[in-house]
Amino acid sequence: GEQVEQLPSILRVQEGSSASINCSYEDSASNYFPWYKQEPGENPKLIIDIRSNMERKQIQELIVLLDKKAKRFSLHITDTQPGDSAMYFCAASDMATGGNNKLTFGQGTVLSVIP
Amino acid sequence: EAGVTQSPRYAVLQEGQAVSFWCDPISGHDTLYWYQQPRDQGPQLLVYFRDEAVIDNSQLPSDRFSAVRPKGTNSTLKIQSAKQGDTATYLCASRGRLANQDTQYFGPGTRLLVL
Repeated sequence: GEQVEQLPSILRVQEGSSASINCSYEDSASNYFPWYKQEPGENPKLIIDIRSNMERKQIQELIVLLDKKAKRFSLHITDTQPGDSAMYFCAASDMATGGNNKLTFGQGTVLSVIP
Repeated sequence: EAGVTQSPRYAVLQEGQAVSFWCDPISGHDTLYWYQQPRDQGPQLLVYFRDEAVIDNSQLPSDRFSAVRPKGTNSTLKIQSAKQGDTATYLCASRGRLANQDTQYFGPGTRLLVL
């Protein structure tokens, strides 16, 4: 089955700087790559996703890059704020008809934004 | 639109006791997932349904865990004889039936502590 590696596990950045989280996957059939933010005691919430027909997607301060050849994708948060402090998870899935349709999550990154 | 709902929110058991978790997905969503999330780790899929059919239960410990979705709407996950290693948050998620509805929406989770 699919396996997703996520690094770093802990990330501390100064407010206003950028934060980057990197993930790699193994199954070349994976075509959907969401990112979830999870605050303590809360459920994971989707913040941005990218499909395999794109290489880059941006929503406000969030940028996702996908390199299908290298089987890597990454999340970049520009101009970080204290409210960005949370656990972040990447995930991969084959959402095509007949695909596995299930998310495999990375191990998570704890992001702390220092004021 | 109401989100995914789960109950109970918390459960504390002694080893060997049984417990059931209940999930009501977003209305109209045909696919329902159950995940186990140990503390400080990513969610790990246990089982998922499309309508009332089990699509993948390969990660469900079948000797003690069971899951049903008899009418293709809400679902119950049961642990027959809980072990301390089952301590985790149990998350339910649902996804829409259209081809472009890839996003999984998570419920608030049930936090289980097995003493």
